[in-house]
Amino acid sequence: QKEVEQNSGPLSVPEGAIASLNCTYSDRGSQSFFWYRQYSGKSPELIMSIYSNGDKEDGRFTAQLNKASQYVSLLIRDSQPSDSATYLCAVREGRRALTFGSGTRLQVQP
Amino acid sequence: KAGVTQTPRYLIKTRGQQVTLSCSPISGHRSVSWYQQTPGQGLQFLFEYFSETQRNKGNFPGRFSGRQFSNSRSEMNVSTLELGDSALYLCASSLTGSAEAFFGQGTRLTVV
Repeated sequence: QKEVEQNSGPLSVPEGAIASLNCTYSDRGSQSFFWYRQYSGKSPELIMSIYSNGDKEDGRFTAQLNKASQYVSLLIRDSQPSDSATYLCAVREGRRALTFGSGTRLQVQP
Repeated sequence: KAGVTQTPRYLIKTRGQQVTLSCSPISGHRSVSWYQQTPGQGLQFLFEYFSETQRNKGNFPGRFSGRQFSNSRSEMNVSTLELGDSALYLCASSLTGSAEAFFGQGTRLTVV
């Protein structure tokens, strides 16, 4: 069974701090990695994709991938209350369907 | 550029009935995937269509079916509804099966 594991949280950080969200996956053949943000009652919104080892930065977001350790992370710098949401890690092998983790709930305290 | 459009947004059905949900992908996207999201199970993959062919299928009973039309629009059907089918049904489209996937707003189905 291919699995994607995330700590459910909640992860609570003060406004302006760095939030660090982590994800591990079991399928070594996974090639594509995604982070989605989902506000309560809304659908998931793609915020980052990463395909090769290392860091990828987009504004306040940095995705980190380590395929040897089967580990993906998302850093959110200068966290804002509007970042409070559930963050879903998703993994794909080739053209197979996305496999989602159960999500980490992030709370940014003003 | 218009996003993924799902209709209807909300639906209330009685146990035993059937329901059809619709998804129009982003223009140019040929892959459409369907997911069921519940508080207890998270996001569960139902099936994926690419160029009118079902390419991947999740572990759901045969009551759940889908199809894709030549214009890439997709429908999913659930027959003989059960209370446990109450969920948010999400459709995601991508250019190809391996590219980034973008979700629609979802259809919230309540079975009573």
